[in-house]
Amino acid sequence: QVQLKESGPGLVQPSQTLSLTCTVSGFSLTSNSVHWVRQPPGKGLEWMGGIWGDGSTDYNSALKSRLSISRDTSKSQVFLKMNSLQTDDTAIYFCTHGSYWGQGVMVTVSS
Amino acid sequence: DVVMTQTPVSLSVAIGQPASISCKSSQSLVHSDGKTYLNWLLQRPGQSPKRLIYLVSKLDSGIPDRFSGSGSETDFTLKISRVEADDLGVYYCLQGTHFPYTFGAGTKLELK
Repeated sequence: QVQLKESGPGLVQPSQTLSLTCTVSGFSLTSNSVHWVRQPPGKGLEWMGGIWGDGSTDYNSALKSRLSISRDTSKSQVFLKMNSLQTDDTAIYFCTHGSYWGQGVMVTVSS
Repeated sequence: DVVMTQTPVSLSVAIGQPASISCKSSQSLVHSDGKTYLNWLLQRPGQSPKRLIYLVSKLDSGIPDRFSGSGSETDFTLKISRVEADDLGVYYCLQGTHFPYTFGAGTKLELK
């Protein structure tokens, strides 16, 4: 069945780079899209960007200068990298495909 | 960016009673391919969001038909015919027509 699972560091220092991995199963990345969504504590949802089956990407313009999404189809993994992190980047980060969502990973930006 | 305005912010409903949530977009959500990419999601406390409805009115697999979606262009509604305890949480609308995709601020459904 379709599953997505996020992994990455729980704590990142300000100004550093966040690297997250979404490992998927049950579908092929070469013919399906995966998107990243984040949720600051107690707040709403924000679409960050996505990677499509052909490998092309789309980003939220508010994050585009700091954000990169890539993938390794052989490992069924999608990667998120975001630089210059600040405290307001503290959030739960989810990867999602269609009606399926990962459990999310909490990332705290703090020194 | 397309602004998604959800009302009400919160909703208190007794079990067995109906509920309705509105979502209005700042521009038409009809895509150039003719489809309207409007979704409804439910996030239960402490859980990941779960998509309930896509393309305005199509129910995801396993979603009970107590849920229904309707609307067009810029005006959309999620209805629950009879609220059950499992329906409690925050409901979000999400538009996937225009980049960046945007969510409504959420509607918290609570028990009366």
